Amino acid sequence: KNEVEQSPQNLTAQEGEFITINCSYSVGISALHWLQQHPGGGIVSLFMLSSGKKKHGRLIATINIQEKHSSLHITASHPRDSAVYICAVKSPDKLIFGTGTRLQVFP
Amino acid sequence: GAVVSQHPSRVICKSGTSVKIECRSLDFQATTMFWYRQFPKQSLMLMATSNEGSKATYEQGVEKDKFLINHASLTLSTLTVTSAHPEDSSFYICSAREAIFSGTYSNQPQHFGDGTRLSIL
Repeated sequence: KNEVEQSPQNLTAQEGEFITINCSYSVGISALHWLQQHPGGGIVSLFMLSSGKKKHGRLIATINIQEKHSSLHITASHPRDSAVYICAVKSPDKLIFGTGTRLQVFP
Repeated sequence: GAVVSQHPSRVICKSGTSVKIECRSLDFQATTMFWYRQFPKQSLMLMATSNEGSKATYEQGVEKDKFLINHASLTLSTLTVTSAHPEDSSFYICSAREAIFSGTYSNQPQHFGDGTRLSIL
């Protein structure tokens, strides 16, 4: 079993839909990252959080330390949101990555 | 925001060639840089951690003599794949951690490069 599990693996949505991607982990962590990887391969860091909730534009990330679970929400999804979203936890000083969720948003 | 520049973005070369990949932090200093490898549709796997001015720490199973890492300054780390073979073909990506201390270095943001796609013929 992977130390970081993401669901779903693949997700398709219609433009405008609300999207949720989940991440569960089994190790102790100091922080959790949500990353976005575009088809070309480049990675953008969306959030780093260790508790509670963060919001940036249409993106919201939450984490529940007790349940070892985090969610990434995208409101009013758009085709440009199509990418692979990766959850990564810092434990203890290294990032452990999930396998990613491939999101496709259709117009 | 913080930018990490990785160069080249794509390399195609013959078996036996050595390939150098550069990772630069453009607008911040990075005491620590990380090198990852990613196979198609798989997670990023950490290869090594490099700290400025000291030897890199390699993950288990990663050959030090095969993947040479140099982190000579606070803004530049290089990965050299020596005598590359087809099985070294992969996507290599670096990330850099900012050198600002705010209680703990380990929770400083990590910024990623755009990656290098290496194809060995």
